[in-house]
Amino acid sequence: AIRMTQSPSSLSASTGDRVAITCRASQAISSSLAWYQQKPGQAPKLLIYSASTLQTGVPLRFSGSGSGTDFTLTISRPQSEDFATYYCQQYYTYPWTFGQGTKVEVK
Amino acid sequence: QVQLVQSGAEVKKPGASVKVSCKASGYTFSDYYIHWVRQAPGLGLEWIGLINPSSGHTTYAQNFQGRVTLARDTSTRTVYMELNSLTSGDTAVYYCARTNYDLLTGYFIDYWGHGILVTVSS
Repeated sequence: AIRMTQSPSSLSASTGDRVAITCRASQAISSSLAWYQQKPGQAPKLLIYSASTLQTGVPLRFSGSGSGTDFTLTISRPQSEDFATYYCQQYYTYPWTFGQGTKVEVK
Repeated sequence: QVQLVQSGAEVKKPGASVKVSCKASGYTFSDYYIHWVRQAPGLGLEWIGLINPSSGHTTYAQNFQGRVTLARDTSTRTVYMELNSLTSGDTAVYYCARTNYDLLTGYFIDYWGHGILVTVSS
């Protein structure tokens, strides 16, 4: 199975800071990567698919980049509602696999 | 709007089986695959498998092969997941999720159900 490794596991940021989360795949997955946001007690929510395509309704302060094995999720100026846990996921091949998550907390 | 409404929480004893459901609405049921993903308390996400609601064809993660069965009822737009031989390690929130299709990169999850807590305890 493809292993997805996110870094950092957690970070503290202030509203208005730039936040970047990286995700590395153990083998090339082209651009078959999605990013999800999860808040406590809720299901994950799709933010980005195809590595860089913003899902409808997701604020423009979210962006994704990368292809092959290295990917980045950037939140340009996080708002209070953006403090949550973020997961990357590859859908290049089965079994689908997820990163371990990055918790973004308020500094 | 797309909705995936899952059945209620379950408490099972080790060795038992659990069957949970996911009822879809707001879209053409047969046009979108349904996947199942679980999340153990405080931990990450683990993919279980998928079903094609049109054909009934299934694909399972090797970790669950032989222990999980996905099925669908097209008349009620409902997908079922049955997991057998439960252990405490199966205690988790189980999500159903719909996949959409991107021409360049393939299928990806776009909507999630609210999740079902399955607790396995003696």
